[in-house]
Amino acid sequence: KAGVTQTPRYLIKTRGQQVTLSCSPISGHRSVSWYQQTPGQGLQFLFEYFSETQRNKGNFPGRFSGRQFSNSRSEMNVSTLELGDSALYLCASSGRGRNTEAFFGQGTRLTVV
Amino acid sequence: AQTVTQSQPEMSVQEAETVTLSCTYDTSESDYYLFWYKQPPSRQMILVIRQEAYKQQNATENRFSVNFQKAAKSFSLKISDSQLGDAAMYFCAYRTPGGATNKLIFGTGTLLAVQP
Repeated sequence: KAGVTQTPRYLIKTRGQQVTLSCSPISGHRSVSWYQQTPGQGLQFLFEYFSETQRNKGNFPGRFSGRQFSNSRSEMNVSTLELGDSALYLCASSGRGRNTEAFFGQGTRLTVV
Repeated sequence: AQTVTQSQPEMSVQEAETVTLSCTYDTSESDYYLFWYKQPPSRQMILVIRQEAYKQQNATENRFSVNFQKAAKSFSLKISDSQLGDAAMYFCAYRTPGGATNKLIFGTGTLLAVQP
C-alpha cells in the first residue's frame, strides 16, 4: 500500500508569490490534515479536510487555504508569500473511526526569499 | 483549549541504556488519545506508540513503553536498550477520538541523541 505522497519535496519562492502544495493520501483515507513546522513555532495545525469539506481550521491568516478533491487528494495554497512562511509543510491522512492513526508524508520544504 | 508540553528540549542516552522522555498535557475531556511520534532527519513523522485515555493499562511496543498517569495528565515515553537508530526528534501529541476530527496537537519536541 503506497504511503502519503507530498509534492514537491522542495520549493523556493519569492516574497509576494503564491504557491500550491499537493498531498495524495493513502488509498481509502478520506481525511487529510495539513501542518506547518518551523523551528520557532513547532508543529501547528493548518486545516483538515474530510470528504471534500473543511471540517477544522487552525489559527492562520486567510492567505492559507486548501481544498480536497473527490479522490481525496488535497492541495494547500499560500498566497502573497512572506518570509515567515518558510517552513516544512506536512500532510497527514487518516482512515475512518475513532481508533484511526495519522500517517504522514515526508513534507514539502518551502523557502521564501 | 488542549495543550501539550514537553519540558526537555534535548536528551542524551548511551547506546543500550534506558531513557525517559516527559510529556504533560491539559484537557477537560475524558476521552482522548495520546501519541508519541518520532521524526528522524528524513523528516517523516513515524508513530511510535499510542495510548487510549480510557485504557488504564500502559501501552507497550517492543522497546518502547509509556507511563500514562491520567489524573496527573502525564504521558512519558520510556525507550529501553537504546539504539543508534533511535536518535531523532520525539513529539508527544494529543487527539480527541476520531470521527469528529483528526486534528493533532503537538508538543514542542525533544531531540534525542544516542551516544555509541
